[in-house]
Amino acid sequence: DTAVSQTPKYLVTQMGNDKSIKCEQNLGHDTMYWYKQDSKKFLKIMFSYNNKELIINETVPNRFSPKSPDKAHLNLHINSLELGDSAVYFCASMGGYEQYFGPGTRLTVT
Amino acid sequence: DQQVKQNSPSLSVQEGRISILNCDYTNSMFDYFLWYKKYPAEGPTFLISISSIKDKNEDGRFTVFLNKSAKHLSLHIVPSQPGDSAVYFCAAPVQGAQKLVFGQGTRLTINP
Repeated sequence: DTAVSQTPKYLVTQMGNDKSIKCEQNLGHDTMYWYKQDSKKFLKIMFSYNNKELIINETVPNRFSPKSPDKAHLNLHINSLELGDSAVYFCASMGGYEQYFGPGTRLTVT
Repeated sequence: DQQVKQNSPSLSVQEGRISILNCDYTNSMFDYFLWYKKYPAEGPTFLISISSIKDKNEDGRFTVFLNKSAKHLSLHIVPSQPGDSAVYFCAAPVQGAQKLVFGQGTRLTINP
């Protein structure tokens, strides 16, 4: 049983398109996150939701809109994709101090 | 502002020897630290942690040491095995543990 799952694993799209990445966790955690790992391999937090409410928004462009339909799901919608959005996006959930990560979605914008 | 820093982007160690990965931090208020391991095309996985009230935590081949006065922690892996080849991130919780800040990662390669 996968604890944190993301779909799709790979996403190749053209500039200007709109795309979504889905995330689900079956750990019963209240808090979920989206991270971006850029070309320099830094892991940077983008958003955090606690029980469907946004608690952290790290100055991410408003083209990125997270949506949490319930506490087990946190989806990421990206409008008007740009070349600089190419990265690996990780979803995570948090129990205590530990975060559990999904396998990542590699987004390539051409 | 990088609150957690890993200054060695890569490390190469012979199988069977000790691997030592280092991490420095700037915020003396950090009270907990974690190490994550990441294989290619996978998400980071939790490896080991340490509370600031301790100076050492051991789990099998993995030991984390914390030197609060130097604001430094290290991860020791002994003996190193080929399956330990991965990128290792240190991290610390901030904002009331609502989020983690990560170091840049160190790529460890274990040579047979």
